[in-house]
Amino acid sequence: DAGVIQSPRHEVTEMGQEVTLRCKPISGHNSLFWYRQTMMRGLELLIYFNNNVPIDDSGMPEDRFSAKMPNASFSTLKIQPSEPRDSAVYFCASSFRRSEAFFGQGTRLTVV
Amino acid sequence: AQRVTQPEKLLSVFKGAPVELKCNYSYSGSPELFWYVQYSRQRLQLLLRHISRESIKGFTADLNKGETSFHLKKPFAQEEDSAMYYCALWGNDKIIFGKGTRLHILP
Repeated sequence: DAGVIQSPRHEVTEMGQEVTLRCKPISGHNSLFWYRQTMMRGLELLIYFNNNVPIDDSGMPEDRFSAKMPNASFSTLKIQPSEPRDSAVYFCASSFRRSEAFFGQGTRLTVV
Repeated sequence: AQRVTQPEKLLSVFKGAPVELKCNYSYSGSPELFWYVQYSRQRLQLLLRHISRESIKGFTADLNKGETSFHLKKPFAQEEDSAMYYCALWGNDKIIFGKGTRLHILP
């Protein structure tokens, strides 16, 4: 398995534009997590899914953020409209039951 | 409440000196704890978990339920240990991370 795959690796967009981040978890994993990492706030859990169902989205900062998991092998995190303060590295991670979480390489988002 | 606390944002240690990165947790159930490491501009990767009780890259961590701690230790720091370290707890149904500690090894 190639591990958790995220795309794109880097994204630069203008304020007000829609941004979509993508994640392919490890096959067979039943939990998927989206995190945001910044220097100021560290690693923040935005939302997580269990068996494709969103369980807790209390970490999503605003209604501008939304996430979906249409099937077990794909998830998206969308920001619409994007703002400069959304600039961060966004990580996706997956795990099987209560085992270790495997992280993707992250998407470095810059909103100008 | 489920919480992971890493009190130090930055820890600077001389090469060859002992390292201890502190982690305290709050969880009512039986905790499953992990340490993750993130080297510069890379993904987080598992360093060790309390269940396996193994030593990875010379690091060890012991779960102390009385003190609700899971401190990470290494007897002799190496320059390649410079990185960001995160303590994590599997809570009721999600993984909770601490804020992280940046370890800086001085030559």
